[in-house]
Amino acid sequence: DTAVSQTPKYLVTQMGNDKSIKCEQNLGHDTMYWYKQDSKKFLKIMFSYNNKELIINETVPNRFSPKSPDKAHLNLHINSLELGDSAVYFCASSQGARHSNQPQHFGDGTRLSIL
Amino acid sequence: AQKITQTQPGMFVQEKEAVTLDCTYDTSDPSYGLFWYKQPSSGEMIFLIYQGSYDQQNATEGRYSLNFQKARKSANLVISASQLGDSAMYFCAMSPRGTGNQFYFGTGTSLTVIP
Repeated sequence: DTAVSQTPKYLVTQMGNDKSIKCEQNLGHDTMYWYKQDSKKFLKIMFSYNNKELIINETVPNRFSPKSPDKAHLNLHINSLELGDSAVYFCASSQGARHSNQPQHFGDGTRLSIL
Repeated sequence: AQKITQTQPGMFVQEKEAVTLDCTYDTSDPSYGLFWYKQPSSGEMIFLIYQGSYDQQNATEGRYSLNFQKARKSANLVISASQLGDSAMYFCAMSPRGTGNQFYFGTGTSLTVIP
């Protein structure tokens, strides 16, 4: 009964390809997030959705496109992959975007490696 | 601007001893949350402890406690009676109320517990 699950766990692909990462949460949370963790372990927010509505969109190349079909799912599609996209991508969810006191619950991460 | 600083890239502690991991923050938002997460070598992000900016008492969760000094803008994590399983990366995060529960993460501290 994993709370936040993302697939795949590992993704190895060639430069220029298009790939997707899926995320689902069964916590009943309203808000979901995508983070990128680089090789130095720095975590940076990419996107956030609240009830299927985009609320945070940091400076991310437009090759990255999030999609939220419902509030339990937030997928990340990446076009024309580049070497610099190699990282661990984390999905997370929390109770609501209006609250600063809610912890975010993270998936196990997707390790993306570009050859 | 929102900023979180963790000045200790690496720390060592003897098993059964206590250790303090430093975290300072900067925000102009009067209401915010402070969080600590643990990331073991397996990669998942584990929520440890939360402190609200208006909380009068320091938060505690088992062997974890948060030494919150609001005037100094610091939120140090104290781990008592260290165990070998505490060896991991530790991240401090801040969520200002006005940012849609967006988390700003520090760069992390790598803790190694020595037997």
